[in-house]
Amino acid sequence: AQKITQTQPGMFVQEKEAVTLDCTYDTSDPSYGLFWYKQPSSGEMIFLIYQGSYDQQNATEGRYSLNFQKARKSANLVISASQLGDSAMYFCAMRGDTNAGKSTFGDGTTLTVKP
Amino acid sequence: DVKVTQSSRYLVKRTGEKVFLECVQDMDHENMFWYRQDPGLGLRLIYFSYDVKMKEKGDIPEGYSVSREKKERFSLILESASTNQTSMYLCASSLIGNQPQHFGDGTRLSIL
Repeated sequence: AQKITQTQPGMFVQEKEAVTLDCTYDTSDPSYGLFWYKQPSSGEMIFLIYQGSYDQQNATEGRYSLNFQKARKSANLVISASQLGDSAMYFCAMRGDTNAGKSTFGDGTTLTVKP
Repeated sequence: DVKVTQSSRYLVKRTGEKVFLECVQDMDHENMFWYRQDPGLGLRLIYFSYDVKMKEKGDIPEGYSVSREKKERFSLILESASTNQTSMYLCASSLIGNQPQHFGDGTRLSIL
């Protein structure tokens, strides 16, 4: 079975500062992918970043980076230079090679960026 | 860029109606998914399909069916809509394996 835990229901950050959203996971799959999604109040689910379990380097996409610590089973999202438009719900998710292709999602973290 | 298109952003239907939600993807993805999202309950998988004419039940398939006649299109059908099916419905597609899912904009469905 797979499990994703996001322990921060809500986070606040000042505009232009960096913020880290926490995510821990559990799986018995030897190979898996970890992802982060952003869901603004308009409802669409936007894919942000992907980390494969065998990737040696942490993934980066623009202002987003994924701090992957395999031994600790954590996959934290770091947003640098926060913008007001970053205010949204953020979901951590994972997908293994087994489990028939299903993804497991966390409960989400609501990020509010203050001007 | 991957494009997943859901037929309606907002939809209002009446109890007992048969409701069709359509989803089309343009990236030749093998896998397609239907979720519903409700406050406090997170994303719940209704059905998914890993190939044309193939489907698998997710966590909450009751009251729903699906159709995948072509690779790019995955339809969700509410056989007889009920008020407890008022929700946000999200379609997604992906390659096989541990690749990320890409979502459409969602359909906010209200059943009156």
